[in-house]
Amino acid sequence: DVKVTQSSRYLVKRTGEKVFLECVQDMDHENMFWYRQDPGLGLRLIYFSYDVKMKEKGDIPEGYSVSREKKERFSLILESASTNQTSMYLCASGTGGGSPLHFGNGTRLTVT
Amino acid sequence: GIQVEQSPPDLILQEGANSTLRCNFSDSVNNLQWFHQNPWGQLINLFYIPSGTKQNGRLSATTVATERYSLLYISSSQTTDSGVYFCAVGKDYKLSFGAGTTVTVRA
Repeated sequence: DVKVTQSSRYLVKRTGEKVFLECVQDMDHENMFWYRQDPGLGLRLIYFSYDVKMKEKGDIPEGYSVSREKKERFSLILESASTNQTSMYLCASGTGGGSPLHFGNGTRLTVT
Repeated sequence: GIQVEQSPPDLILQEGANSTLRCNFSDSVNNLQWFHQNPWGQLINLFYIPSGTKQNGRLSATTVATERYSLLYISSSQTTDSGVYFCAVGKDYKLSFGAGTTVTVRA
């Protein structure tokens, strides 16, 4: 079974802090994704990566950056956390082209 | 971007009942997936189904790509089927998610 592991289940940070969310997958997938999920807005794509050191902006990249130094790891970075970034963050991975997407358990981030 | 509409938004079922969830989308796609989010927030991939029909146990799905819709069937529902069902569509690996259908199965 595909395993996508997010480093934290719950995280509380202060406004202005730099925040790192980590995601690791064990299936050698080329593609990795970061989504955020908010009530009434569904899942929205922040960034995705189709190869090591490659990244593309999703629908809502403002305020975020990403890093993919190794194929199995994809990090989401909040350079200066703000209260409107309080959300559930979901990491996913998949193989190239159209293929099933596999999600991690999510990180619920609260910025105070 | 591609617009995705799911209906109904909410569904309450008695255990053992059958139901159909619908996903309409606004453009041609080559990637369509159904997910179940359980009450603990975990998203599970149910089907990768850009066209045709698939079955997995009590669940089945049909996508008619030319008419831009997909259906998810739940038969003999169980309380463990409760949660939110999402349809996601797109081209290649970039997916847009619908708002979901919240299913509650009562014992």
